[in-house]
Parts: sequence; structure tokens; C-alpha cells
Amino acid sequence: SQKIEQNSEALNIQEGKTATLTCNYTNYSPAYLQWYRQDPGRGPVFLLLIRENEKEKRKERLKVTFDTTLKQSLFHITASQPADSATYLCALHGGSSASKIIFGSGTRLSIRP
Amino acid sequence: GAVVSQHPSWVICKSGTSVKIECRSLDFQATTMFWYRQFPKQSLMLMATSNEGSKATYEQGVEKDKFLINHASLTLSTLTVTSAHPEDSSFYICSAVGLAGPYGETQYFGPGTRLLVL
Repeated sequence: SQKIEQNSEALNIQEGKTATLTCNYTNYSPAYLQWYRQDPGRGPVFLLLIRENEKEKRKERLKVTFDTTLKQSLFHITASQPADSATYLCALHGGSSASKIIFGSGTRLSIRP
Repeated sequence: GAVVSQHPSWVICKSGTSVKIECRSLDFQATTMFWYRQFPKQSLMLMATSNEGSKATYEQGVEKDKFLINHASLTLSTLTVTSAHPEDSSFYICSAVGLAGPYGETQYFGPGTRLLVL
């Protein structure tokens, strides 16, 4: 069955460092992959989308890579700030209108000052 | 762009009553809306997928008579929790996907509705 895993439940790093979150999947060939941020008691907020034929995507301090051979995506936040503390979800989509999005369980990122 | 609202943001009700939650796409037309529930420190659990003008498709284990979904227009979907019980207490989140273009690929989420059944 399809499975999506985010490497760790929680990640705690020092302000200013680069945070790297991992998303691995099996038994699936997504057309694209998305990353969302979710704050406590709030709905997820869309951050980035990367397609299967793209290796890397950037947006300000965020960078996403997508390796369809390894079936893995890495999500980086450079120059991390305490305000970046949140839960980050990766999500896979098959690409057709009938495809559901499959969400990972999330990684809770904490940036300490 | 891509704003999705939910109303109410939180609700407390007595056991046995019904609660309606609205999900609106404010600046785009949503062909498909999704309803999720989320328990503390857990990921999103898809409950159902609703397409405008047709019956919702429910995930396995979700009672369609318990969770009534109506997607009456391209900007509004409602979820009614009928005869709510304490075990229905949860965080309910909707999302919407647009017709095409950038709104056609990404699910945009509402802020969520916290339901507490006493």
C-alpha cells in the first residue's frame, strides 16, 4: 500500500542554522509533491509545489528537492528563525483530478533562539 | 489569492445536537472540496471528497449518515455532524481545489473548526 514517511516527529535546531526535513514514500509515483506549514490550531498553509520532472524549487529561504529515484523529497529552511517553528507536512498527488492527496504525519520543527 | 474560510471557527454543543460547518472559497471557484479531521498531534485524516453538484465520496470507516456533506455551489460546501457525541469532538478542516491553473493543483485549506461536544 502507499506509504509516506517524514523522517522525524520532531526536530530542534539553533536559530540561524539550516533546517532539513525529509519525506520518503513507497508504492507511489506522484506527479507532484507539496509542502505545507501548519501552526497549532490552524489549517495547513501551502508553501511549495515541485513536479516529478523538477529537481529543485526555491522560494525565499525555502528550498525543496525531489528525487523520484530515491523516492524522497528534502525541505530546507535556511537562516532559520524562531518564527519558522511549526509542523511541516509533505503531501503527494497523483496528478489527475481524481487523485487524492496523501499527507505525511508531519515534522514538528522548533527553532531555539 | 486562494483564500478559504470556515465558519464557525469553534463550536461547543450538547450531545445529540447537530452542528453545521461551512467552507467557502472566497476568491476562486472550487470544483472539489475535501473535509478532514485532525486529532491532537496527528496528521490530517481525509473524511470525504465533495464535488459541486454531486454526492460526496466518503472514505472507508466514515459514516455518511453521520457526516452529511453538501456542495451546493462552486464556492460553498457544508459538513453537518448529526447527533453529535463527545467522540466527535475534533478539529475539522476543509480544503478546496480550483478549476484550473495554480488553483487546480493545490489544496488550499481553511483555518479549521474546533468542535467540542459535551
